[in-house]
Amino acid sequence: KNEVEQSPQNLTAQEGEFITINCSYSVGISALHWLQQHPGGGIVSLFMLSSGKKKHGRLIATINIQEKHSSLHITASHPRDSAVYICAVSRGATNKLIFGTGTLLAVQP
Amino acid sequence: DTEVTQTPKHLVMGMTNKKSLKCEQHMGHRAMYWYKQKAKKPPELMFVYSYEKLSINESVPSRFSPECPNSSLLNLHLHALQPEDSALYLCASSQGSGSGANVLTFGAGSRLTVL
Repeated sequence: KNEVEQSPQNLTAQEGEFITINCSYSVGISALHWLQQHPGGGIVSLFMLSSGKKKHGRLIATINIQEKHSSLHITASHPRDSAVYICAVSRGATNKLIFGTGTLLAVQP
Repeated sequence: DTEVTQTPKHLVMGMTNKKSLKCEQHMGHRAMYWYKQKAKKPPELMFVYSYEKLSINESVPSRFSPECPNSSLLNLHLHALQPEDSALYLCASSQGSGSGANVLTFGAGSRLTVL
């Protein structure tokens, strides 16, 4: 069992839909990261969370430390949101990330 | 400047060649990272430099040789690679590496093909 699990693995949505991607982890963490990667491209850091909720534009990330669970929400989804979304956690005093396997999101017009 | 710049974007090399990947950032970050990413897989950490010193080597084969000439530059020297080393190589940086809660800034990657 992976230390970081994401669901769903693949997600297809229609433009405008509200999207939720989930991440569960089984280890103690210093922080949880949500990352975005477009096909063939580099990775963009969307959020780093250690508690509560963060919002940036149409993206919202939440974390429940007790339940070891985080969600990434996209409101009013758009085709340009199509990408792989990766959850990763950092542990202890290092910045070594443990990655989930990613969620491939396709938003259709 | 809020970017990590990687060159070249694409590299094709033979198994006997020697080449280098370069990474540069001017954000004053003191930690820099090399990741390897195979298709449809998450990135795998290779090396971490903290304050220009190698702090983590994830048991990477010696045909990959990292170098950090100064706090803004990170190189990955490649020699006698195998076709299975073909991958996207990602560089990243962060302000520090010792708190476990630093945001990483990634470059766009260098796509390496070994023939």
